[in-house]
Amino acid sequence: DVKVTQSSRYLVKRTGEKVFLECVQDMDHENMFWYRQDPGLGLRLIYFSYDVKMKEKGDIPEGYSVSREKKERFSLILESASTNQTSMYLCACRTSGTVGGELFFGEGSRLTVL
Amino acid sequence: KNQVEQSPQSLIILEGKNCTLQCNYTVSPFSNLRWYKQDTGRGPVSLTIMTFSENTKSNGRYTATLDADTKQSSLHITASQLSDSASYICVVSGWAAGNKLTFGGGTRVLVKP
Repeated sequence: DVKVTQSSRYLVKRTGEKVFLECVQDMDHENMFWYRQDPGLGLRLIYFSYDVKMKEKGDIPEGYSVSREKKERFSLILESASTNQTSMYLCACRTSGTVGGELFFGEGSRLTVL
Repeated sequence: KNQVEQSPQSLIILEGKNCTLQCNYTVSPFSNLRWYKQDTGRGPVSLTIMTFSENTKSNGRYTATLDADTKQSSLHITASQLSDSASYICVVSGWAAGNKLTFGGGTRVLVKP
């Protein structure tokens, strides 16, 4: 089974702090994604990556950046956290070459910014 | 604009009863549709995938249907169990550049004993 591990299940940060959310997958999947999930808004794509050192903006990239130095690791960075970034963050991976292939999600990281 | 609408937003059912969740989409050209189950505090997990040529597919007590002409899908839960309490998310993939996924807002199901 594919395993996607997110480094922190729960985080509490203060406004202006830098926040790192890490995601590691163990199945050699090329594609990795970061979503945020908010009540009433569903999942929204922040950034994705098709390969090492490659990144593409999703629908809501403002206030976020990402890093993919190794194939198995995809990090989401909040340079200066704000209260409107309080949310559930979900990392996912997927093998390439298939349209609409299954996404494998991590358990999520619930971030609260005070 | 590609959209996926799910209904109802939430529902409560008694254990052992059946229920049906709806998903309407405007994604075009259509590639496939997946239903995911998300337990509280966990990541979503795929239940089933529907392609253009498929009308019905079952996964245990879950049965998904697809009408590609009307762009509607449903997820039927038979003989519900307490463990079916979760959010169910409809995700549609289109044959567009980047194979972008469009997510529905989800239906939250609560099964009561």
